[in-house]
Amino acid sequence: DAGVTQSPTHLIKTRGQHVTLRCSPISGHKSVSWYQQVLGQGPQFIFQYYEKEERGRGNFPDRFSARQFPNYSSELNVNALLLGDSALYLCASSQPSTGGIETQYFGPGTRLLVL
Amino acid sequence: TQLLEQSPQFLSIQEGENLTVYCNSSSVFSSLQWYRQEPGEGPVLLVTVVTGGEVKKLKRLTFQFGDARKDSSLHITAAQTGDTGLYLCAGVPQAGTALIFGKGTTLSVSS
Repeated sequence: DAGVTQSPTHLIKTRGQHVTLRCSPISGHKSVSWYQQVLGQGPQFIFQYYEKEERGRGNFPDRFSARQFPNYSSELNVNALLLGDSALYLCASSQPSTGGIETQYFGPGTRLLVL
Repeated sequence: TQLLEQSPQFLSIQEGENLTVYCNSSSVFSSLQWYRQEPGEGPVLLVTVVTGGEVKKLKRLTFQFGDARKDSSLHITAAQTGDTGLYLCAGVPQAGTALIFGKGTTLSVSS
């Protein structure tokens, strides 16, 4: 079975530009989460979507937005890029369990460099 | 303020040595997870601990969840070069819904 896939793998943008990152969850998973991982830090939660609805939002500015499509794939959009947006962007898919423990499976990430 | 504090931040040891990584918080977590991440890849789940005082073993790795569910530890016995990587603890606070990560421990095992 295919795991979580993300595209593109690498991206270089300049300040002020806009970027769209894409994620396809594991088949059967209806929840997608996005994380930003700056070098030397752990991942920071940006958004979670479940059944196309926003389920949670981290402490990120409005320049960050996301959506989930009927096939459960997702896009993360970042407007007006800043140098500090350079990071590894991770997507994780999950499926809520009856026991309440929701295991997240991560994709390989998209490495974004803002110049 | 980091909700999950990991220590040490960096660890460089020789093959065959033992090590322990700690993950501490002042908040209660319904569960804690440990991930391992290699350069250029996403984190891979190693274990989830749920019950206070729980101990789980995965070959040479032993994971423990504190009785009060505020801390956890990862112990590696007889480290191997293949254990090299970034170890991350993560959990969902009882009062929250988002998965919170620690800053990670970078482990380097040399032969």
